[in-house]
Amino acid sequence: SAVISQKPSRDICQRGTSLTIQCQVDSQVTMMFWYRQQPGQSLTLIATANQGSEATYESGFVIDKFPISRPNLTFSTLTVSNMSPEDSSIYLCSVEGQQETQYFGPGTRLLVL
Amino acid sequence: GESVGLHLPTLSVQEGDNSIINCAYSNSASDYFIWYKQESGKGPQFIIDIRSNMDKRQGQRVTVLLNKTVKHLSLQIAATQPGDSAVYFCAETLLSGYSTLTFGKGTMLLVSP
Repeated sequence: SAVISQKPSRDICQRGTSLTIQCQVDSQVTMMFWYRQQPGQSLTLIATANQGSEATYESGFVIDKFPISRPNLTFSTLTVSNMSPEDSSIYLCSVEGQQETQYFGPGTRLLVL
Repeated sequence: GESVGLHLPTLSVQEGDNSIINCAYSNSASDYFIWYKQESGKGPQFIIDIRSNMDKRQGQRVTVLLNKTVKHLSLQIAATQPGDSAVYFCAETLLSGYSTLTFGKGTMLLVSP
């Protein structure tokens, strides 16, 4: 499976600011995904990021709030814009491996004050 | 049993016991299922998968059972160890076409020495 890293691993931010989370993979992958995991909850897909095209957002998530970049086959960023305390969550990136299996990064733990 | 909010269903076992974690999936058309383990402070880790043309699949100390009739998935862990303590998620998807992973609510497994 691919080795996936995320930066930052955690952050504490003030409301109204924005944070960009980076996801780096050690091999080229076609599809990358961004998830949100609120405290004590399961994972919710934010968007699918394919290189060379705009990200596909799930219901309830919009590009203005969660802009995504996918400049190449090993890297993606997710920005959480104009943050509020409700955005406090773990943000996870994943990549698609064999079949439809997804492998996850370690996550970015965000606290918004 | 089921719970909402911050209270995950919890299974408490003694070290050496066998554990069974259950999952009811939502889409009768789903044909690929994955179990993930998420330890505190980490991203989800792939454990085992199963396609819908199988009823059972075994790994090292883990077995996944699939009952398509009642849309039920279970994960059996043999000789449970303290290191198995984590939150376990099932996920479902369709292998054909564009389909994303849908995650279940999760079960916390607590293993006492």
